[in-house]
Amino acid sequence: GAGVSQSPSNKVTEKGKDVELRCDPISGHTALYWYRQSLGQGLEFLIYFQGNSAPDKSGLPSDRFSAERTGGSVSTLTIQRTQQEDSAVYLCASSLRQGVSMSEKLFFGSGTQLSVL
Amino acid sequence: AQSVTQLGSHVSVSEGALVLLRCNYSSSVPPYLFWYVQYPNQGLQLLLKYTSAATLVKGINGFEAEFKKSETSFHLTKPSAHMSDAAEYFCAVSDSGGSNYKLTFGKGTLLTVNP
Repeated sequence: GAGVSQSPSNKVTEKGKDVELRCDPISGHTALYWYRQSLGQGLEFLIYFQGNSAPDKSGLPSDRFSAERTGGSVSTLTIQRTQQEDSAVYLCASSLRQGVSMSEKLFFGSGTQLSVL
Repeated sequence: AQSVTQLGSHVSVSEGALVLLRCNYSSSVPPYLFWYVQYPNQGLQLLLKYTSAATLVKGINGFEAEFKKSETSFHLTKPSAHMSDAAEYFCAVSDSGGSNYKLTFGKGTLLTVNP
């Protein structure tokens, strides 16, 4: 596709269940990011993938959160034993590469609205 | 650690009026600064960015922002608001150093444009 694709667009789950959120970055983009946008809050960095390098997981809020990126393309964010405070919009973004000058811009998907009941 | 403060979670202007959205940053190294816009039901889009070249940066849709080091500010302006400018605007900062991929975003300012 032409842009970053995220699925599902909406997910309602019960507290304690596991969820998987998917991100398809723009073809050829080597850098992929996950952010979380909570109501009334800014975007919170979660995790960053760049090529074959080890991901930067410093933003993951707890060990219930994990993410992987297969084949340098599609990424899945997994939240185990969901809690109500996990309710938020989860945004994925990609960029062509991570240049030192940040000359590349991030392209964001439309996000997945997660609601934990 | 870097941080961003956006003054005013909600700004309302009349069509044709000046738009001013405020952003102040904190960074221990020379920053890269960004404004992103999120239209309803759409993903964030880059509006403009400052990466240590000209301090006055022009972006899309008539927006511009000026980097003022002495004030640690990067306010976003547009001379004349259009109805189509109604959206949420996010200021973001990134280190110019090794961790420059990690953007820190402000909480956002919702812009309403009244006819």
